Amino acid sequence: GESVGLHLPTLSVQEGDNSIINCAYSNSASDYFIWYKQESGKGPQFIIDIRSNMDKRQGQRVTVLLNKTVKHLSLQIAATQPGDSAVYFCAETFGQGGKLIFGQGTELSVKP
Amino acid sequence: GAVVSQHPSWVICKSGTSVKIECRSLDFQATTMFWYRQFPKQSLMLMATSNEGSKATYEQGVEKDKFLINHASLTLSTLTVTSAHPEDSSFYICSVSGISYNEQFFGPGTRLTVL
Repeated sequence: GESVGLHLPTLSVQEGDNSIINCAYSNSASDYFIWYKQESGKGPQFIIDIRSNMDKRQGQRVTVLLNKTVKHLSLQIAATQPGDSAVYFCAETFGQGGKLIFGQGTELSVKP
Repeated sequence: GAVVSQHPSWVICKSGTSVKIECRSLDFQATTMFWYRQFPKQSLMLMATSNEGSKATYEQGVEKDKFLINHASLTLSTLTVTSAHPEDSSFYICSVSGISYNEQFFGPGTRLTVL
């Protein structure tokens, strides 16, 4: 039979506001982290990454923060736009060629 | 990054039949490809790692005889869901491992519905 899906955490923001999406990762040995954006019915799209020797990295309108002490990762989106509406996943890995372990995801909804 | 395609984008089949899903790396020779499964409102779960010219490595709990993976060339990996059942209905996504450290580029996914 059909499996029952979990309810994704959701974040609803007003257009133009900043968004912060959080992620707790599981493996203290993980040394590379990536944020992906997944729109409905599509594959994940790379947003930004960070290695464990850094605690902050900035891209265009996005910033990733890494706190290894508490195994926490966050994605900040500045001036959120309707096109940012999607599910956002963090992923962790360790070692070269290591497997990606995905977090549960957060659904971002941007209200115009 | 690498451009990855999947075919078909969606498929509906009857219970008990087999379905083949193709994953192609269009502009990059990929020695390693990954297959994921994603149920509604859930995260991506790695099913197997596919290495060109060798047997795939399956994750714990994934039946290798049910989910057959073939990676015969550097640009093509296929996933065959054998004797599909309604519980196999899911979104199947492949990814290609890039040159740089742990980069993965994802395909658009294939929606499988088993009636």
